[in-house]
Amino acid sequence: EPEVTQTPSHQVTQMGQEVILRCVPISNHLYFYWYRQILGQKVEFLVSFYNNEISEKSEIFDDQFSVERPDGSNFTLKIRSTKLEDSAMYFCASSLQGGYTFGSGTRLTVV
Amino acid sequence: KNEVEQSPQNLTAQEGEFITINCSYSVGISALHWLQQHPGGGIVSLFMLSSGKKKHGRLIATINIQEKHSSLHITASHPRDSAVYICAVTSGGNQFYFGTGTSLTVIP
Repeated sequence: EPEVTQTPSHQVTQMGQEVILRCVPISNHLYFYWYRQILGQKVEFLVSFYNNEISEKSEIFDDQFSVERPDGSNFTLKIRSTKLEDSAMYFCASSLQGGYTFGSGTRLTVV
Repeated sequence: KNEVEQSPQNLTAQEGEFITINCSYSVGISALHWLQQHPGGGIVSLFMLSSGKKKHGRLIATINIQEKHSSLHITASHPRDSAVYICAVTSGGNQFYFGTGTSLTVIP
């Protein structure tokens, strides 16, 4: 069964550093998403991406964040100048026509 | 504000019991999703529905659009069903609103 692959599974970074979280969506999917889940809290929508541009973004997705689909297969989330409160599980998902497949997540720890 | 409310927050059941998890939402939706999150954190999409009822194995999901309510039922529950079950809605666009999840533990 096709999978959404996320790397790395766990990333530790120092406060103030930039991180790039990587996702390989399912190849024929057209819509791509990033979500985050702070430990003990609910999953939160960050951004959706379609046709090489952002289609929706939440209040959380401010100038600190950016997304890119650099090569037609990868879908990346860049977090600039990380803060302690950016520590969370970040999930990527992709969909074609409503059927969503989630990646297994990247646990980001900012120290 | 919580666009999506789930109940109960925590649920413990004996193996074999019939389980119901409820979800209410306050926004207009294009679809409602039931997700399963395992202890390791991974999320699996169980159902996407916009009307009526869907069944997959021992899982049944229903939605009442007029009442803005959905239920997830698990028949003949099993310890491997232990997970967090999350209700989420898409409201126009592609933005998701997530419930806080229901933590289910099924005891042998």
